[in-house]
Amino acid sequence: DTAVSQTPKYLVTQMGNDKSIKCEQNLGHDTMYWYKQDSKKFLKIMFSYNNKELIINETVPNRFSPKSPDKAHLNLHINSLELGDSAVYFCASSQVGSGTRHTVNIQYFGAGTRLSVL
Amino acid sequence: GDSVTQMEGPVTLSEEAFLTINCTYTATGYPSLFWYVQYPGEGLQLLLKATKADDKGSNKGFEATYRKETTSFHLEKGSVQVSDSAVYFCAAHGDYKLSFGAGTTVTVRA
Repeated sequence: DTAVSQTPKYLVTQMGNDKSIKCEQNLGHDTMYWYKQDSKKFLKIMFSYNNKELIINETVPNRFSPKSPDKAHLNLHINSLELGDSAVYFCASSQVGSGTRHTVNIQYFGAGTRLSVL
Repeated sequence: GDSVTQMEGPVTLSEEAFLTINCTYTATGYPSLFWYVQYPGEGLQLLLKATKADDKGSNKGFEATYRKETTSFHLEKGSVQVSDSAVYFCAAHGDYKLSFGAGTTVTVRA
């Protein structure tokens, strides 16, 4: 069983379109994340949810909107896609939530969604 | 906020060579430190961790020691294999989030 699964694995779309990426974890974790990895492999956190509540919202354009219907799911919706949105997007989850110091935050990652905006 | 600086790659080695990837961190307090590995076409997975000063994390022949005095967490492996070819990320969790280094691409040739 895949612990953190995200769909689709590949997404090719035209500029200006709206698209969604889904993520589900079956680890029973309370916290989920979205990361963006650029072509140079640099990894940047975008959002984090703890028990369906948004706890991290980095400097991300408003076109990106996360939605967490329950603590096992965190979806990412992107409006009006731009060329610069092309990247690999990773979902992750952890038992221990962010926002706490002195705790061991081990994150489990999905396999990634490669988004190409043409 | 916290930040992590790691050695730039790419690094290319022959099988059985010694690998070191340097990593230093900046944080208030004492963060937990991690090395994650990303194999081609996959997501990141935890390689090893250390939660306090002088702790040594180890896994799959890799080791890293939490050095508070030098704020470092260098990754080492004594004899690499082709299957170790991957991108390696150093990370620190001390503030409210996990901060990653830029990643180091390692290629091991047979």
